Amino acid sequence: QVQLQESGPGLVKPSQTLSLTCTVSGGSITGGDYYWSWIRQPPGKGLQWIGYIYYTGSTYYNPSASLKSRITISIDTSKNHFSLNLRSVTAADTAVYYCARSRLWSAFDIWGQGAMLTVSS
Amino acid sequence: DIQMTQSPSSLSASVGDRVTFTCRASQSISTYLHWFQQKPGKAPKLLIYAASRLQSGVPSRFSGSGSGTDFSVTISSLQAEDFATYYCQQSYTTPWTFGQGTKVEIK
Repeated sequence: QVQLQESGPGLVKPSQTLSLTCTVSGGSITGGDYYWSWIRQPPGKGLQWIGYIYYTGSTYYNPSASLKSRITISIDTSKNHFSLNLRSVTAADTAVYYCARSRLWSAFDIWGQGAMLTVSS
Repeated sequence: DIQMTQSPSSLSASVGDRVTFTCRASQSISTYLHWFQQKPGKAPKLLIYAASRLQSGVPSRFSGSGSGTDFSVTISSLQAEDFATYYCQQSYTTPWTFGQGTKVEIK
């Protein structure tokens, strides 16, 4: 069955760019009319949806003030993975970052295990 | 953005109890409402989608209802493995948003 696995550096310095990759296994990232999302969860807090990408490269980003204009989500169909770049990070971006799959307007049915990202000097 | 408000924020219950918790949307979202269960240190897991449809493999003691702005989940007989935090999420319109969670604790 399809599985998602996040990978990333674990620690990023303030003002730098956070980069995470989600690798899809057990199925093609281009199949099934799925949208591929990033979601984050600060320690002890709730879930925030960051944005999605479709295999064509079409994206939607959450216009939230906490994320606005700092997000880029990209996809590499040859490697069956998609990525998140978050620029100019601060301590407020410290969180567990999840990747997840859904169909448009439907539920996130498969999630990665999560990757903890800490922003600290 | 559509605001999702869950209540209560936490509840204490015993094994075997019937428990219900709710989610309210700031505007009508039809049945574009989903529920997730999250245990400490784990990713959320889809329990119920489209307000009332049980995800494959989820025990039948879970049920969901509602449409428009008011939704609920009922666990008919709470089991030890059900102690967790539950989140609702709307997919009616972007940005997709989550509720703040209901934590179900052992009494």
